[in-house]
Amino acid sequence: EAGVAQSPRYKIIEKRQSVAFWCNPISGHATLYWYQQILGQGPKLLIQFQNNGVVDDSQLPKDRFSAERLKGVDSTLKIQPAKLEDSAVYLCASSLYGGLAADNEQFFGPGTRLTVL
Amino acid sequence: SQKIEQNSEALNIQEGKTATLTCNYTNYSPAYLQWYRQDPGRGPVFLLLIRENEKEKRKERLKVTFDTTLKQSLFHITASQPADSATYLCAPFSGNTPLVFGKGTRLSVIA
Repeated sequence: EAGVAQSPRYKIIEKRQSVAFWCNPISGHATLYWYQQILGQGPKLLIQFQNNGVVDDSQLPKDRFSAERLKGVDSTLKIQPAKLEDSAVYLCASSLYGGLAADNEQFFGPGTRLTVL
Repeated sequence: SQKIEQNSEALNIQEGKTATLTCNYTNYSPAYLQWYRQDPGRGPVFLLLIRENEKEKRKERLKVTFDTTLKQSLFHITASQPADSATYLCAPFSGNTPLVFGKGTRLSVIA
C-alpha cells in the first residue's frame, strides 16, 4: 500500500514570501491532518479535514496560513507571508476513519522541511 | 492547559537492556494514549494504543502501561537493539479532541 506522499521535501524561502505544500493521502482515507513540528518539539495539529470539510482548525494561524482539500483527496497548505518562526517540518497524515476513534491510527508522510531566512 | 512531559530528551542504553520511557500528563484525563516512533527525516509511525481501562498492552518486544491515578504511561522496549534507536512520542487524548504530542524522548541503543 502506498503511503502518504508530500512535496516538496525541502523548501527555503525569504521571510514575507509565500509557500505551498502538497499532500496526497493514502487512498480511501477520509481524514487528513496537517501538523507543524518545530525542531525538538512534538507535532502540533494545524488543521484536520474529514473528506473535504474542516473538522478542527483551532490552532491554524488564519491570518497567514490557509489549507484546502478539494474533492476530498489531495490537500495543499499555504503560508503567506512567511515569518522566521514558521521554520519547521510540516507533516501531513491521514487516517481511515472520520472523527477521533480510539483506534484511528494516523499514517504520516515524510514531511516538508521549511526554512525561512 | 494540557501539559505532556516525556521524562528526558535523550536516553542512552546498552544493547540487550530494557529501555523505559516515561510520559506524564497534567490538567486533563485522557481516555486513550498512543505511542509513536519517529526516525530522523521521517514522519512518526504508530506503535501502540492503550485505553484507560487497560493497565498494560504488549506488542512483540514493546510493553506499554497506563496509570490514570499517577497520570503516567511507561513505554518499555525489552532486549533493545541498535535499530530501536529513534525518538519516541506519546500522545494522550480523550477521543473527542485532536492528538497532542509530547516532545519525545530520543533513545540511543549502543552496541
